[in-house]
Amino acid sequence: GQNIDQPTEMTATEGAIVQINCTYQTSGFNGLFWYQQHAGEAPTFLSYNVLDGLEEKGRFSSFLSRSKGYSYLLLKELQMKDSASYLCAVLDSNYQLIWGAGTKLIIKP
Amino acid sequence: GAVVSQHPSRVICKSGTSVKIECRSLDFQATTMFWYRQFPKKSLMLMATSNEGSKATYEQGVEKDKFLINHASLTLSTLTVTSAHPEDSSFYICSAGSPGQGANEQFFGPGTRLTVL
Repeated sequence: GQNIDQPTEMTATEGAIVQINCTYQTSGFNGLFWYQQHAGEAPTFLSYNVLDGLEEKGRFSSFLSRSKGYSYLLLKELQMKDSASYLCAVLDSNYQLIWGAGTKLIIKP
Repeated sequence: GAVVSQHPSRVICKSGTSVKIECRSLDFQATTMFWYRQFPKKSLMLMATSNEGSKATYEQGVEKDKFLINHASLTLSTLTVTSAHPEDSSFYICSAGSPGQGANEQFFGPGTRLTVL
């Protein structure tokens, strides 16, 4: 079966750095997405990785290792507004998104 | 970036009535639209995938006669919840994209919160 694993919840301090890991086993791979979702709102796109390596976009970076079935989202200089759920999703061979359950990130002052 | 709208954003209805939710891609044409539902503190659950001009593909366990999907154009898809019951109360989110055609990202609408009394 297809499976996406990510931690349920993480806590970090304002101004610090946090890394959210995601491992996956899917039938085929056409890319991995990270989305941010605030409570009561729809997900918003953060990043898309299809090749191995690190993609940096401002305070957020995303890493992919296809051979290990592994990705992480790195958030730097954390702000209170970064408190949200972070969803890892893999596009499988049928171009269907397989979603992880999401990681709730709690930022403390 | 691409913008997807949903209407209405919130709806409260009586049990037994039908509710229609519209999903529009405002500044791009999408070959595929996806409908999700999300219960509180749970992950997104894909309900169905629809391509313009063809019948929607429903996920296992989703009743196609209860959740009617129409995808009339490259910019509009509708989801109708027929004979709604309280257990249908949920957050319904659509997304649009053209996967496999150089645009794999899905752009999400803001969601519709349905409450069935």
